[in-house]
Order: sequence, then structure tokens, then C-alpha cells
Amino acid sequence: GNSVTQMEGPVTLSEEAFLTINCTYTATGYPSLFWYVQYPGEGLQLLLKATKADDKGSNKGFEATYRKETTSFHLEKGSVQVSDSAVYFCALLTGSNYKLTFGKGTLLTVNP
Amino acid sequence: GAVVSQHPSWVICKSGTSVKIECRSLDFQATTMFWYRQFPKQSLMLMATSNEGSKATYEQGVEKDKFLINHASLTLSTLTVTSAHPEDSSFYICSASGREGLGYEQYFGPGTRLTVT
Repeated sequence: GNSVTQMEGPVTLSEEAFLTINCTYTATGYPSLFWYVQYPGEGLQLLLKATKADDKGSNKGFEATYRKETTSFHLEKGSVQVSDSAVYFCALLTGSNYKLTFGKGTLLTVNP
Repeated sequence: GAVVSQHPSWVICKSGTSVKIECRSLDFQATTMFWYRQFPKQSLMLMATSNEGSKATYEQGVEKDKFLINHASLTLSTLTVTSAHPEDSSFYICSASGREGLGYEQYFGPGTRLTVT
């Protein structure tokens, strides 16, 4: 079956630090990969996505590259801000049933 | 585009009563809607998938008689928690996906916080 493993948090960084949140996956077929962000008390917002190998998704300074050879989709940002504090979820979607499979989420706290 | 709303955003009810949560796609037709439950500091747990005009498909371990899902139109799905108990207190999130062109992505609502006293 499908599964997503992402690094456990919490992750605490100082403002302007470099961020990496690791995400690896197991899937049948060729999944699409997503990063979602959840701010406190809110639903999920799509942060970025990639639909095929070697695609790079990017948004708001965040980037992730779909690496088929390592089955990974690590999230990176060069300089985090306090406003980036949130929970980040890695997820995959396959064409077989269109259900999202989520990782457990990583809480990021950015201190000023 | 692709906005999903939920109503109410939070609700408090007494044990034994029923609560209905609405999920609406505001600017697209949602052929499929998903209902998730999220416990504090945990990931989302898929409860059920509903397609417009047909019965919902529930995930293993989810009581279909307790969590009634109706997807009567292409823009509205409802989740009714029947005879609610304190253990049903949770954050419920819906998502919607549309026809071809939206790429089968899921667009999430802002969530509904249910507290059962």
C-alpha cells in the first residue's frame, strides 16, 4: 500500500535559518506529491506540488523536487520567517483511487 | 478559484444530540468530497469518500450509522454526527475534488471544531 514518512518534529529554527523537512514515500504506480501547510486552528492549504519525476514545486520561497530514484520529496526554504510557523504535511495521490495519503506532519516553530 | 467552505467553524453540543456540518465548494463542481478527522497534534484520518448522488464509502473502522454523510449536489456535502459523545470531539475537515481540469486535486475547507460536553 501507499505510505508517506516525514521527519518527526518539532523543528525549531531562528528566523532566516535554512529549513529542510524530509519526506519519503512508498507507492504503487506514479504518484503526485504534495506539501500542505496547516496554520493553528485552520484547515490545510496546498503549499506546492509535483506530478512527475524531476518536477520541482515551488511557492512562497519553499521548494521540493520529486526524486523518483530516492522516492523523496524534501521540503526546503532558504530563509524562514516567523510567519512560516505551522504544521507541514507531505502527501501523495495516486490515480487508483484519488485518495490522499498523508505523512504524520511536522511542526515548525520559527523564533524571531 | 477552488474555494471550499465549511459551516459552522466551531460548534459545542451536549452529549446525545446530533450535529450537522456542511461542506461547500464555492466556485467549482465537486464530484467527490472527502471527510477527515484530525486529533490534536496528529495527522488527518480519512473517514469517508462521497460521490455526488451516491452513497458514501467509509474507511475501515468508521461507523457509518454514527457519521452520516450526504452528497446531494455537486456543491454540497454534509456530515452528521449522530448521538454525539465526548469522544467524538475533534477537528473535522472536508475536501473536494472536481472534474477533469482541476487535476483531481483535493481542495480543503477550513475545518470545523466540534466539542461535545
